[in-house]
Amino acid sequence: EAGVTQFPSHSVIEKGQTVTLRCDPISGHDNLYWYRRVMGKEIKFLLHFVKESKQDESGMPNNRFLAERTGGTYSTLKVQPAELEDSGVYFCASSQTPLAGGLLNEQFFGPGTRLTVL
Amino acid sequence: AQSVTQPDIHITVSEGASLELRCNYSYGATPYLFWYVQSPGQGLQLLLKYFSGDTLVQGIKGFEAEFKRSQSSFNLRKPSVHWSDAAEYFCAVGSYSGAGSYQLTFGKGTKLSVIP
Repeated sequence: EAGVTQFPSHSVIEKGQTVTLRCDPISGHDNLYWYRRVMGKEIKFLLHFVKESKQDESGMPNNRFLAERTGGTYSTLKVQPAELEDSGVYFCASSQTPLAGGLLNEQFFGPGTRLTVL
Repeated sequence: AQSVTQPDIHITVSEGASLELRCNYSYGATPYLFWYVQSPGQGLQLLLKYFSGDTLVQGIKGFEAEFKRSQSSFNLRKPSVHWSDAAEYFCAVGSYSGAGSYQLTFGKGTKLSVIP
């Protein structure tokens, strides 16, 4: 079974440009999460999709960030226009929805996309 | 709001020595606690988790962790470290956000170096 994949693995752009990151979750996982790690800081939650709906986007830093998950499969995270402070590693994770009465299911993480804004 | 503290940024141990990585959390309710590991070029891999029950949990790769409510701690241990354990380790607390899902709050991570 393929794991969570992210593309690209590394992106270098200039301030003011646009970048789109892609995440392909594990097949059948309804839950998809985006996290970000800025250098020297913690990995921080950005948002959570359940299928194609945004369940929680409380961690999105500002309106320059737009996440979509059309059709409930892969997701994209667009940064427009990018700023220097957007540099970091963007992680995607996915999980199954537990059965009724079940406990929380593991979040499986992708390798991340390293974004560098110059 | 929940938070996680990993007081050690970098730890170096000799191969074969024992290891303990510290983690303290702040969370108002019963915490869901996790340890993840990230090797270079890889995603985060779950080592173990604690939801309830026995406070000593066993994980993969020979790791274990003990939940101590009185100390708000969830320290990770391994009796004998292997060179392949060199990686970055993250402690996290999960907060339930409905519909069987949760978001993770991570510590800053501890980088482990292993010397032969």
